[in-house]
Amino acid sequence: DSGVTQTPKHLITATGQRVTLRCSPRSGDLSVYWYQQSLDQGLQFLIQYYNGEERAKGNILERFSAQQFPDLHSELNLSSLELGDSALYFCASSSTGVLSGANVLTFGAGSRLTVL
Amino acid sequence: GESVGLHLPTLSVQEGDNSIINCAYSNSASDYFIWYKQESGKGPQFIIDIRSNMDKRQGQRVTVLLNKTVKHLSLQIAATQPGDSAVYFCAERVPGSTLTFGKGTMLLVSP
Repeated sequence: DSGVTQTPKHLITATGQRVTLRCSPRSGDLSVYWYQQSLDQGLQFLIQYYNGEERAKGNILERFSAQQFPDLHSELNLSSLELGDSALYFCASSSTGVLSGANVLTFGAGSRLTVL
Repeated sequence: GESVGLHLPTLSVQEGDNSIINCAYSNSASDYFIWYKQESGKGPQFIIDIRSNMDKRQGQRVTVLLNKTVKHLSLQIAATQPGDSAVYFCAERVPGSTLTFGKGTMLLVSP
């Protein structure tokens, strides 16, 4: 157990629907990162939050949004789902939000989204 | 288990052999590098990291080598065990940016 908790583990939904993925970071970590892992694209960075504020943005679609709450848990919202959104979504956390120096990300077990 | 990727480069070794997994990184400005291991159905797990001011770092049974001249990173695993079978990712980071992951290499260890 990495200490990063993601729910749900599996989710099956239909095109056009909206889902919310949840992440609780490791105790003491202030930063949360979201990554998408698909068969063809590998691990793609979506977005980072640090202590409630957006810190960095990657290749996140406009249909996707995220937030980090005061208790530091984070949610990734995926809307108007398409078949191509089927993927593993990983949350990771780290103690620092600084994008320099050593910064090990601790990953959760992921949420597998299947869009039919 | 769940597949994390198709058509990945694959390294097949016998148990007890030493394994070397290679990674070419893309940005000469990257100052931090990290290796992750991902077992089937699990999230990536940290193995070892190295900063650009070093060319070698050792951990338990693992060594990372960094060659900035040719932008090459390698992970050496000593006395490979069946439990080492997984997909291995290298990642690089340019200062002020987040980690960028490579496509991964699958390591298969035969008993």
